[in-house]
Amino acid sequence: DIQMTQSPSSVSASVGDRVTITCRASQDINTWLAWYQQKPGKAPKLLIYAASSLQSGVPSRFSGSGSGTNFTLTISRLQPEDFATYYCQQASNFPTFGPGTKVDFK
Amino acid sequence: QVQLQESGPGLVKPSETLSLTCAVSGGSVKSYYWSWIRQSPEKGLEWIAYVDNSGTTNYNPSLKGRVTISIDTSTNQVSLRLNSVTAADTAVYHCAKHYWGDNYFDPWGQGILVTVSS
Repeated sequence: DIQMTQSPSSVSASVGDRVTITCRASQDINTWLAWYQQKPGKAPKLLIYAASSLQSGVPSRFSGSGSGTNFTLTISRLQPEDFATYYCQQASNFPTFGPGTKVDFK
Repeated sequence: QVQLQESGPGLVKPSETLSLTCAVSGGSVKSYYWSWIRQSPEKGLEWIAYVDNSGTTNYNPSLKGRVTISIDTSTNQVSLRLNSVTAADTAVYHCAKHYWGDNYFDPWGQGILVTVSS
């Protein structure tokens, strides 16, 4: 199976900051990658699919990039509602998820 | 707008069978692909199984042989059965709709906590 890693595991930031999260796949997945946001007690929410496509309704301050094995999620100007945990997921026949990156208040 | 709601027992005894259902509203189970995904502090997010609208299934190899996913068009539900459970199967279980038939999940159900304990 394809292993997914994320860095950092947590990041402390302030409102208005630019935040970048990195995801790495253990083998080439082309652009078969998604990013999700999860808040405590809630289900994950799809933000980005196909590595860089913004899901309908998701603010444009979220963006994704990358292909192959290295991917990035960027939040251009952090808003109060963006403090959450973010997961990457590879979308092959056997989907797997990264361990998550928690974005909290500095 | 499809909405999902999981239901089932919150406590299952070791070696018994875990059975969950996911009620689908706002759309037909026949129109989309569906997965079950679980989440625990120990293993994080783990995809369990998927079923498409023709009934074709695919399972996580680590669970294959113990798990069955199905759709019930009469009740518009997606079901999950996991046999011979152990404490390692304790998790929040989510159902999720596939986005455009690919392995992207949107939306997810709120999830149901299932604890395996005697």
